[in-house]
Amino acid sequence: QSALTQPASVSGSPGQSITISCTGTTSDVGGYYYVSWYQQNPGKAPKLMIYDVSNRPSGVSDRFAGSKSGNTASLSISGLQAEDEADYYCSSYTSSHTLIFGGGTKLTVL
Amino acid sequence: QVQLVESGGGVVQPGGSLRLSCAASGFTFSSYGMHWVRQAPGKGLEGVAFIRYDGSKKYYVESVKGRFTISRDNSKNTLYLQMNSLRAEDTAVYYCAKDYYLDGPAAFHVWGQGTMVTVSS
Repeated sequence: QSALTQPASVSGSPGQSITISCTGTTSDVGGYYYVSWYQQNPGKAPKLMIYDVSNRPSGVSDRFAGSKSGNTASLSISGLQAEDEADYYCSSYTSSHTLIFGGGTKLTVL
Repeated sequence: QVQLVESGGGVVQPGGSLRLSCAASGFTFSSYGMHWVRQAPGKGLEGVAFIRYDGSKKYYVESVKGRFTISRDNSKNTLYLQMNSLRAEDTAVYYCAKDYYLDGPAAFHVWGQGTMVTVSS
């Protein structure tokens, strides 16, 4: 199973909105609603930001939103803040009963 | 609060073995699926293995099948990863993670701080 495809980097200015895409196949993203997103700061463990495509765990800001269309999932961050600068990974359930990740996207807040 | 604490990492020679442990607290361990995830230095995340809440089903990434074994002891609130025939490419930080659901795998809800495994001669 190949990794999901994410852009290597995205950037935005404070207050702006950005979107990170995550493209897979019908055997993963397109076939299931178990798509999730993670934020990872340098030297730290990842943190769950979105699960089941669009649900936010308790404590995650509503500036973070997830969606899916066909084989592509997206993470949107509105009102960008300096603290949002981090690496972001998507993940999806697969037909092999495993969870696979995207390659990761580095978000830079200009 | 929910806490996961990994241990057992270290330096091992190629072909060697290591057993990782993950002590869980702050939630009903026996009610959730559990994962091991790894991250090689400077690289992305990779799901290694998953075990259902009751240990009845286990899933592995292709690259570790036949070499790694995931297990759990619900009476001790502890998750394990037995790693045999280790290779240089297994070098990584290994995280344990609690799934969001009982059955899973669905999402990596809560993560430990990680333990470093280095395979080198």
